[in-house]
Order: sequence, then C-alpha cells, then structure tokens
Amino acid sequence: KNEVEQSPQNLTAQEGEFITINCSYSVGISALHWLQQHPGGGIVSLFMLSSGKKKHGRLIATINIQEKHSSLHITASHPRDSAVYICAAAPNFGNEKLTFGTGTRLTIIP
Amino acid sequence: ETGVTQTPRHLVMGMTNKKSLKCEQHLGHNAMYWYKQSAKKPLELMFVYNFKEQTENNSVPSRFSPECPNSSHLFLHLHTLQPEDSALYLCASSHPGQGADTQYFGPGTRLTVL
Repeated sequence: KNEVEQSPQNLTAQEGEFITINCSYSVGISALHWLQQHPGGGIVSLFMLSSGKKKHGRLIATINIQEKHSSLHITASHPRDSAVYICAAAPNFGNEKLTFGTGTRLTIIP
Repeated sequence: ETGVTQTPRHLVMGMTNKKSLKCEQHLGHNAMYWYKQSAKKPLELMFVYNFKEQTENNSVPSRFSPECPNSSHLFLHLHTLQPEDSALYLCASSHPGQGADTQYFGPGTRLTVL
C-alpha cells in the first residue's frame, strides 16, 4: 500500500462541472503539495499547504490534518484543466524527500 | 517558463551507449533533484543535491551517475542502461533545508532504451 493514495485514478467530466480529487496519506507530514502535470511531462506546483484551505483562481485545496486527507477542487472546469494531478507529502522534520501519489488523470470534455 | 530547463527533451539510446542528461536552473536555488517517472507508477526520487553535495541516493543502480558541478547545474550520466530504465526523467530545484518548500520542475527528458 502506498503511503500516499489518490482517488479517483481517472476522472472524466463535462466542461463546467465541479471537480474533486482526493488524497489520503499515512505518514506524518509537514506539508502537502498538489502538482499538475500536462501531456508532455512538465510539472507545475499548484499548492503547498499544511493546514486549512488555499485558493488560486478556480482551484481550491483543503487539508484535514487529523484525518490525514486533502482535496483539490476545480470550479467551472475547462478543457484546459485536463491534466494529471499529483499530491505529494513532505515528511516531518524537514527534509526534501517528497512521497508522491500515483496521480489522477482528469479529462474535461467540451 | 519554469526557470528549470532540461536537455535533451527526448533521447533514444542503445544499451551499450553512454549519454548524459543536463538540468539547469536560473532560480537561485541550492537544492536540485533527479526524479524518475515510469508509466503508471508514482514519481520516484533518485538523487538530491544540497549546495553541490549529494544528500540522498535512493538506492539507484550505479549505471546512473549524477554530477553537480555547481548549484545551477545537474547532470545524470547514463551507461549500460536496461530497457526497463525507459522513463521520463525530471529535474527539480528548491531552496534547501526548508523541508516542505516548493520544488520547481523542468520539462523532463523522455528516455527510451532499446
């Protein structure tokens, strides 16, 4: 069992739908990252959070430390949001070694 | 433009070849990373360098040899690879020693070993 689990593995939705991607982790963390990977491979960091909620445009990330769970939400989804979304846990006691989930492949249909 | 560049973007090599992957960052970071991404598997950390010193070797086979001549450049030298080494190799950089600091990724090199 991976230390970082994501669900669903694949998600297809219509343009405009509200999207939720979930991440559960079993390790102690100092922070959790959400990353976006487009076809072709480049990875962009979306959020890094250690508590509560962060918002950037149509993207919202939340984390519940007690439940060891984080969610990434996309409002008013658009085909350009189609990508693989990856969560990664940064361990306690500060080192750079992230533990990655396997990713959620999101496809938004026009 | 992420500030982290990788060359080449695509590489096809035979098992007896020697090749090198290059990563360069223009962000003033002092930590650099090599990751391997295989199909349907999570990103795997390979190596970490802090201030040009290797601080992590995640049980990587010796056919992969990293080199970090300065804080802006990172190389991955490849020698006698196997077909199962075919993957996307990603470089990243960050400020070191800050635990959970954001890592900035390059576009990756898609490696195919024949």
